[in-house]
Amino acid sequence: EDKVVQSPLSLVVHEGDTVTLNCSYEVTNFRSLLWYKQEKKAPTFLFMLTSSGIEKKSGRLSSILDKKELFSILNITATQTGDSAIYLCAVETSYGGSQGNLIFGKGTKLSVKP
Amino acid sequence: DTEVTQTPKHLVMGMTNKKSLKCEQHMGHRAMYWYKQKAKKPPELMFVYSYEKLSINESVPSRFSPECPNSSLLNLHLHALQPEDSALYLCASSQVGAGDNSPLHFGNGTRLTVT
Repeated sequence: EDKVVQSPLSLVVHEGDTVTLNCSYEVTNFRSLLWYKQEKKAPTFLFMLTSSGIEKKSGRLSSILDKKELFSILNITATQTGDSAIYLCAVETSYGGSQGNLIFGKGTKLSVKP
Repeated sequence: DTEVTQTPKHLVMGMTNKKSLKCEQHMGHRAMYWYKQKAKKPPELMFVYSYEKLSINESVPSRFSPECPNSSLLNLHLHALQPEDSALYLCASSQVGAGDNSPLHFGNGTRLTVT
């Protein structure tokens, strides 16, 4: 059975700290791994990773994928209170040869204290 | 704000009502999705449309009926729902095709309460 496991499930830090969120997976027909940030409503897209070892960066956020060890990490440096959210990891698999079945992890709830 | 628009934002319905959720995107995406998200849980896939054809139906009860009238619109028709169907219903869209790597873009969702 396909599964995506995130750790930790929750994390409390202070502003300025650096955090690392983990995502491991076991799936068949891997296409890509995605990170989303969810506050009150829609998950908002952060990164899509398809190749091992290539870091993607966006401001204070970065992510990398290891397809051999089947995991990804999301790093946030110099955290701010606005980073408080649930961070979802999702793995996209091919379904019957066609695109686009996302298997989500349970998420990591990040709380950044002032 | 997202580029995927969902209406209504909130919906309260009785178990005998018939209602519809609507989703619209103008990004030229040819794959559209319905997800259901219960409180404190990740989204769960319900339906996938690819080129306006239903390609994935994750064993969803027949009281949920999807419809894709054209490449920009996706509806979810609701009938005889149960209180446990109360959840956030998320629409998403993405590009499709061999070699494409397009993330899903989510709408803000419809918060559904079944009484």
